[in-house]
Amino acid sequence: DTAVSQTPKYLVTQMGNDKSIKCEQNLGHDTMYWYKQDSKKFLKIMFSYNNKELIINETVPNRFSPKSPDKAHLNLHINSLELGDSAVYFCASSQGLAGGLVYNEQFFGPGTRLTVL
Amino acid sequence: DQQVKQNSPSLSVQEGRISILNCDYTNSMFDYFLWYKKYPAEGPTFLISISSIKDKNEDGRFTVFLNKSAKHLSLHIVPSQPGDSAVYFCAAPLRGSQGNLIFGKGTKLSVKP
Repeated sequence: DTAVSQTPKYLVTQMGNDKSIKCEQNLGHDTMYWYKQDSKKFLKIMFSYNNKELIINETVPNRFSPKSPDKAHLNLHINSLELGDSAVYFCASSQGLAGGLVYNEQFFGPGTRLTVL
Repeated sequence: DQQVKQNSPSLSVQEGRISILNCDYTNSMFDYFLWYKKYPAEGPTFLISISSIKDKNEDGRFTVFLNKSAKHLSLHIVPSQPGDSAVYFCAAPLRGSQGNLIFGKGTKLSVKP
């Protein structure tokens, strides 16, 4: 029973298209995240979201937008895809901050490999 | 500007020996650190963490050491097993965020039988 799932696993599309990647977690967590792993293998935070706050990494183009229909889902919409968007995108979830010096671990999905042609 | 650095892209170790993976950071505001392990075509999985109020945390074969003055941490795996072969990422949550993780570039560990 997968804790954090993403669909699709692979996505190949043309430049200029609009696409979405879905993410679902069944852990009851209240915070979800999107990370991008680029061709140089850097894993970088794109967004974090709970029911109160969306934090956007300032380097993320506004063509990328997270959409959360409910607490268990955080989908990633990408408009006008560009070649440089090709990467592996990981969704993650956690119980969020426990306060003080305790951070709860994040559970990652298996990733979605996006290829823009 | 990399706030978390893993300067060794790869490490090869014989089965049964110790693996030492290193990580340096530049942001003195970091107060918690995590190690993640990643197999090909899978997402990262949490391995072990350490708070800045400690200098060591141990979990079975895995021990993380933190040297705050040097802004350096290391992950020790003893004894190393072939199943430990994976990419290991060092990460730290960004303060003021919702635990958004800043990752190092990763070190690929190969444990040879």
